[in-house]
Amino acid sequence: AQSVTQPDIHITVSEGASLELRCNYSYGATPYLFWYVQSPGQGLQLLLKYFSGDTLVQGIKGFEAEFKRSQSSFNLRKPSVHWSDAAEYFCAVLNSGNTPLVFGKGTRLSVIA
Amino acid sequence: DSGVTQTPKHLITATGQRVTLRCSPRSGDLSVYWYQQSLDQGLQFLIQYYNGEERAKGNILERFSAQQFPDLHSELNLSSLELGDSALYFCASSIGGGSPLHFGNGTRLTVT
Repeated sequence: AQSVTQPDIHITVSEGASLELRCNYSYGATPYLFWYVQSPGQGLQLLLKYFSGDTLVQGIKGFEAEFKRSQSSFNLRKPSVHWSDAAEYFCAVLNSGNTPLVFGKGTRLSVIA
Repeated sequence: DSGVTQTPKHLITATGQRVTLRCSPRSGDLSVYWYQQSLDQGLQFLIQYYNGEERAKGNILERFSAQQFPDLHSELNLSSLELGDSALYFCASSIGGGSPLHFGNGTRLTVT
């Protein structure tokens, strides 16, 4: 069964610093990969997705992620974090068929001045 | 705004009761998914419907059931509620076939 691991439960960064959130997946083939963000009291918003092709994908709000097949990773990055980026971030994986989206446990991001 | 509408936003009820959560998918989306989010379990997939038919089942308790109606809206029924059922319940929709899921803002259920 496919699974998603987000090793960091909570990360704190200073405003303006760079950010990298880690995500590893376990799946035999290349799955569809996603990053979602959840602000307090809100639903999950799609940041970006990877289906195939270029392994570096750009998303909304200045985020990007890189798919590395050899490491089974799909890490999320942002060069300069803003205070409004404080939220919970979820990595998710989907089979190519109509199977359900499987989420990691999430990484909570705090941003300090 | 994701285009997915969930009602109600909040629900407080007692143990042993039954509640119904409602979801209207984005226009044009045929697939509806239900997820449960709790602090200890994270986001758990419950069930998926595609154009009115059950497509996949996750860790959904027998006390829970769902359906998708001809107009594609969906309802999640939770019965014989227990304290442990307190959680955020999310509905999501997609066109299907690996396309991204779009989530509603959830229903926060509190069982007292």
